[in-house]
Amino acid sequence: AQSVSQHNHHVILSEAASLELGCNYSYGGTVNLFWYVQYPGQHLQLLLKYFSGDPLVKGIKGFEAEFIKSKFSFNLRKPSVQWSDTAEYFCAVNLHNYGQNFVFGPGTRLSVLP
Amino acid sequence: DTAVSQTPKYLVTQMGNDKSIKCEQNLGHDTMYWYKQDSKKFLKIMFSYNNKELIINETVPNRFSPKSPDKAHLNLHINSLELGDSAVYFCASSQLDRPNYGYTFGSGTRLTVV
Repeated sequence: AQSVSQHNHHVILSEAASLELGCNYSYGGTVNLFWYVQYPGQHLQLLLKYFSGDPLVKGIKGFEAEFIKSKFSFNLRKPSVQWSDTAEYFCAVNLHNYGQNFVFGPGTRLSVLP
Repeated sequence: DTAVSQTPKYLVTQMGNDKSIKCEQNLGHDTMYWYKQDSKKFLKIMFSYNNKELIINETVPNRFSPKSPDKAHLNLHINSLELGDSAVYFCASSQLDRPNYGYTFGSGTRLTVV
């Protein structure tokens, strides 16, 4: 069965620090990849996604992610975090042709100190 | 105009009670889901319906019964509530033949069983 792992359970950064959150998946076929963000007390919102083309995708609020097929990875990055980026971040994968088979990673909590 | 709406937002109830959570989407999606998010923020799929047909039924107690009267609605009824049912329940929707679009989530229902 496919699975999604996220390297860090909790990341603590100061404002203006650079961010990289790791995500790896275990499936050899064609996949769609997503990062969702959940701000405190809120629902999940789509941050960015990859399904084909340029492996470097840009999302909202200055986030970007790079799909490295050989490493089965889809790491999330932001050059300079803000206090308002404090949230839970979820990586998710679904099989390219099976929209209902959506698997979430365990999440990474990001705390940004002012 | 909310895309995926859940009611109620908060639900506090005693053990043994029966309760329902409602979900409606106005995106024209053909597939809806229920996810449970535990206290550690782990997201686990419970059910998925496509055009009112059950397509995913994960291992959940049979005290949980989903009902989809039409493709825009997916309700969750829970019988004989237990302390361990306390969690945030998220409804989501998607278009099955557009897996690269990802899911749209509702704002969640925080269920507390006392």
